[in-house]
Amino acid sequence: DAGVTQSPTHLIKTRGQQVTLRCSPKSGHDTVSWYQQALGQGPQFIFQYYEEEERQRGNFPDRFSGHQFPNYSSELNVNALLLGDSALYLCASSSLRASDSSTDTQYFGPGTRLTVL
Amino acid sequence: AQSVTQLDSHVSVSEGTPVLLRCNYSSSYSPSLFWYVQHPNKGLQLLLKYTSAATLVKGINGFEAEFKKSETSFHLTKPSAHMSDAAEYFCVVSESTDTGNQFYFGTGTSLTVIP
Repeated sequence: DAGVTQSPTHLIKTRGQQVTLRCSPKSGHDTVSWYQQALGQGPQFIFQYYEEEERQRGNFPDRFSGHQFPNYSSELNVNALLLGDSALYLCASSSLRASDSSTDTQYFGPGTRLTVL
Repeated sequence: AQSVTQLDSHVSVSEGTPVLLRCNYSSSYSPSLFWYVQHPNKGLQLLLKYTSAATLVKGINGFEAEFKKSETSFHLTKPSAHMSDAAEYFCVVSESTDTGNQFYFGTGTSLTVIP
């Protein structure tokens, strides 16, 4: 049973460019959440997708956008990159349709390390 | 709104001695609480989860945590530290709504294990 996978593992971009990160959820999961983890900090919630819609959003600007596909995989897009966007981007999956108490348990992928020069 | 405070940014213990990582939370209702571990350059691994079934929760790798509502605490413990326990530990509170659930992370505690 594959866990959460993310691609690419590392990425280097320059200021002003755009980037797309990808995530495949754990088998059986229907919900994907994205987090930004700056160096030495805890992860910060960006947004959550369920049924191909953005359901919740954290305090991030509109430069951060996303998409969820019918197979539940997801993309995170960041436009007009800033130096401060350099971070580890984590994807987490969960199942809102689970019938037990596991609906709020999130499983994380290994992350994509984005460096903006 | 939910919030989590990890009381120690760094904890250092000797191998074979007990581990205590402290976490206090703020929640307007009965929360779901988690501990995750992050090894260097890795993603987050779930250690354990509290959901009101039992106040003492056992997790993987010998870790456990006790939920104390009166103290709004969820401290993580392990009787005997192993070198492989050296990592960053995050306490997390989950807020569930009709449209999904959101995780609020503490700032993390870095655990060093001295041989």
